[in-house]
Formats: sequence, C-alpha cells, structure tokens
Amino acid sequence: DQQVKQNSPSLSVQEGRISILNCDYTNSMFDYFLWYKKYPAEGPTFLISISSIKDKNEDGRFTVFLNKSAKHLSLHIVPSQPGDSAVYFCAAVIQHTGNQFYFGTGTSLTVIP
Amino acid sequence: DGGITQSPKYLFRKEGQNVTLSCEQNLNHDAMYWYRQDPGQGLRLIYYSQIVNDFQKGDIAEGYSVSREKKESFPLTVTSAQKNPTAFYLCASSIKSGGSTDTQYFGPGTRLTVL
Repeated sequence: DQQVKQNSPSLSVQEGRISILNCDYTNSMFDYFLWYKKYPAEGPTFLISISSIKDKNEDGRFTVFLNKSAKHLSLHIVPSQPGDSAVYFCAAVIQHTGNQFYFGTGTSLTVIP
Repeated sequence: DGGITQSPKYLFRKEGQNVTLSCEQNLNHDAMYWYRQDPGQGLRLIYYSQIVNDFQKGDIAEGYSVSREKKESFPLTVTSAQKNPTAFYLCASSIKSGGSTDTQYFGPGTRLTVL
C-alpha cells in the first residue's frame, strides 16, 4: 500500500518559470518530509526537508510547503533552470519509530530552455 | 573524500545464481539501508541496519539477505529465491537512527541485470 504518492509522473516547465511538484500522503503519523533529486543512473541527492511543526521551509530557489490537514506537500522551484531537469522524490518518515523513509513514485521534471 | 560507494555499477548474472552487491561508507554513519528502484515505482526498502551486527527487514526483504559485520559495510545478497531481481539497487546511510530523523545519503547505485 503506497503511503506516499506523487500523482504526476512528469512535468514540463519553461526555463525561468515556476515548477510545482506535488506529493500526498495517507499516514497522519508522518512528521518529517524530504525531497530528493535524482539523475538517471545515479543515487538520489537530498534537496530540502520540512518538519511537521512548520508549514514552509525555504532554501534558495527551493521552497517546500506542508499542508497537514490536507496531507499534502509541494516543492516549488523558482526560477526553474535546465539543470533542474531530473526525477524528484518526496519521502516521509515517522521520527520516533526510527528512520524508515517512505518514498513516493517520483515526478520527472523537464525544464525547457 | 567522504561518501558512499557501491560496486560494481553494472552487474550481470545468470538466473539461479546468488550475487552480492557491495556498499561501503566512510561517513561514520550508524545506519545503513538498501533500496530497490523499478521503473515507475518509488524506492522500496529491502533491509536496514541501525547498528553493527543488527538489521531489520524492510517492505520487500524476501529473496534478499544482508550482513553488518562492520560499521562501514552493508553488503546485500540477491539470492536465487528473488523472483524479479533485475533492478537498480541503492544503498544509503544516515548519521544516527531512532528518535530523530537524519537525512539519508545515497550511493551511486548498482544496476543488476539477471539474464
């Protein structure tokens, strides 16, 4: 049973515009969320995270928003650059039970120059 | 340089053979993990280890085995019992486990193809 879902398998955005990647989860016990970026044939690299006590976390061009009531988080990339083209995974974890991450299925972002 | 290494990058095996994938880290991380990625699917947890000489099954442990004899090493054996072994395998580690969350850092992955 997929507890973390990314319903958009792909997204195309023009360079300079905003990219919005979405992630939904079903388990209300999740209290920490992360976004990873992955290029083909490479391991994912950590991008940004957010604790459930916050509703927004910003790091440069990347901002993650968390809506706990909707069990939804999103990653905003502004402005989008061609180098941002990759697969983005969201992950969720219940902190007090250990460090098992639950990953979404990924969204492939293409930024068009 | 500190990091996580996985070897080899590409691995081919005949059906029915066991194969062991290597994962080494020099980050002094306590916890290590094995995931598998298939097309159109997220990363699924196979096994994880929070401390030396201890490990737990993840969501899809059947057909796999692991060992954690050293803090730096967490090899994964894909046995002949694994029905669909062809996949991209990712190893990860984190600085500590349990009670608080620390980011998992991933190796470059091993692409296993069973012929």
